[in-house]
Amino acid sequence: ILNVEQSPQSLHVQEGDSTNFTCSFPSSNFYALHWYRWETAKSPEALFVMTLNGDEKKKGRISATLNTKEGYSYLYIKGSQPEDSATYLCASDSGGGADGLTFGKGTHLIIQP
Amino acid sequence: DVKVTQSSRYLVKRTGEKVFLECVQDMDHENMFWYRQDPGLGLRLIYFSYDVKMKEKGDIPEGYSVSREKKERFSLILESASTNQTSMYLCASSFGTYNEQFFGPGTRLTVL
Repeated sequence: ILNVEQSPQSLHVQEGDSTNFTCSFPSSNFYALHWYRWETAKSPEALFVMTLNGDEKKKGRISATLNTKEGYSYLYIKGSQPEDSATYLCASDSGGGADGLTFGKGTHLIIQP
Repeated sequence: DVKVTQSSRYLVKRTGEKVFLECVQDMDHENMFWYRQDPGLGLRLIYFSYDVKMKEKGDIPEGYSVSREKKERFSLILESASTNQTSMYLCASSFGTYNEQFFGPGTRLTVL
């Protein structure tokens, strides 16, 4: 079983501030790294799937980077808004194909107005 | 949009009961998954299936079984429910090279 670690476990951020958090994963047998956002009472929603070392992806105010050699990914949120409040999950896929993902425990983000 | 539905949002069962959790996806995805989510532990994979009638154990299959008789439907079965199976259960489906997963809304199961 892979160990996927996320930090911090929870985070309180003032509205308008930018923030970032980390996902670390075993760099051996790397295939893909996923980020999901999980809002309360909703389904987890895919944000990014990242596969290449040095990859950088962006969706609106949210972006992510990937370092497969050292085994980490950062998620950045610029100008946080209340609707960004959610748990952010990262997941590593080491097998490719149909295998399930190995998830971290998540970073619980609360944006304070 | 992909839609993954689960039969119940909330379920309360008694110890020893046989419990069925149903999941249906409408996008013809090959792969389907069952996870459970517990506080402080994150999502953990129970079983997955990459084709009709095929199933593979995930990280925590003990106490569970699954059934996939049709491509769109993947059922999780608790043969004899126990209190340590009280949890949030999430179903997901995926397709494509990078296995992006689409999740259902979850079933919060309480076993008394």
